[in-house]
Amino acid sequence: SQTIHQWPATLVQPVGSPLSLECTVEGTSNPNLYWYRQAAGRGLQLLFYSVGIGQISSEVPQNLSASRPQDRQFILSSKKLLLSDSGFYLCAWTGTGNTGELFFGEGSRLTVL
Amino acid sequence: DAKTTQPPSMDCAEGRAANLPCNHSTISGNEYVYWYRQIHSQGPQYIIHGLKNNETNEMASLIITEDRKSSTLILPHATLRDTAVYYCIVLGGTSYGKLTFGQGTILTVHP
Repeated sequence: SQTIHQWPATLVQPVGSPLSLECTVEGTSNPNLYWYRQAAGRGLQLLFYSVGIGQISSEVPQNLSASRPQDRQFILSSKKLLLSDSGFYLCAWTGTGNTGELFFGEGSRLTVL
Repeated sequence: DAKTTQPPSMDCAEGRAANLPCNHSTISGNEYVYWYRQIHSQGPQYIIHGLKNNETNEMASLIITEDRKSSTLILPHATLRDTAVYYCIVLGGTSYGKLTFGQGTILTVHP
């Protein structure tokens, strides 16, 4: 069966520090991968999605970047965190093709101080 | 993708059916209706989706009106663990799974 792992689960970082959140998917190949963010009291916002290795599409301009170095690995990064980067970050995957049935990870809660 | 409108909150008694409405009056012919829910501090969970016909699975039933401008998610026997935010999302066939989450409906199931 397919599983998705995210880490770290919780992170407290100072302003200006770098960030790396990692997501891996098991039990499937060539998944579409997504990074969403949920700021406090707000809905989920799609940040990045990827349909293959090295292929990244950004949905909103921001202080973050994403990379997909391997088929089932998706990384969210920042060189210098801002206070506004605080939030709940969720990785998700779906099978190839167009489908809205996404499978989400447990999330990474980032607090920037 | 078409926008959706949901009531901000609803209550339901445990063991009763929970009927969550969603309006999507601008839905186009190739767009599906998806429902997700998010329990506090967890990732969203897919519930069900449909195009035209009513759908049922082990979690819920989805009733889509004939004109497809609205739908209702039905949890037939709500439990306390069904307390969550429920999102109705309309997604087109070329959207590659890029979901747009609105504010959803906060469903509170009480004893």
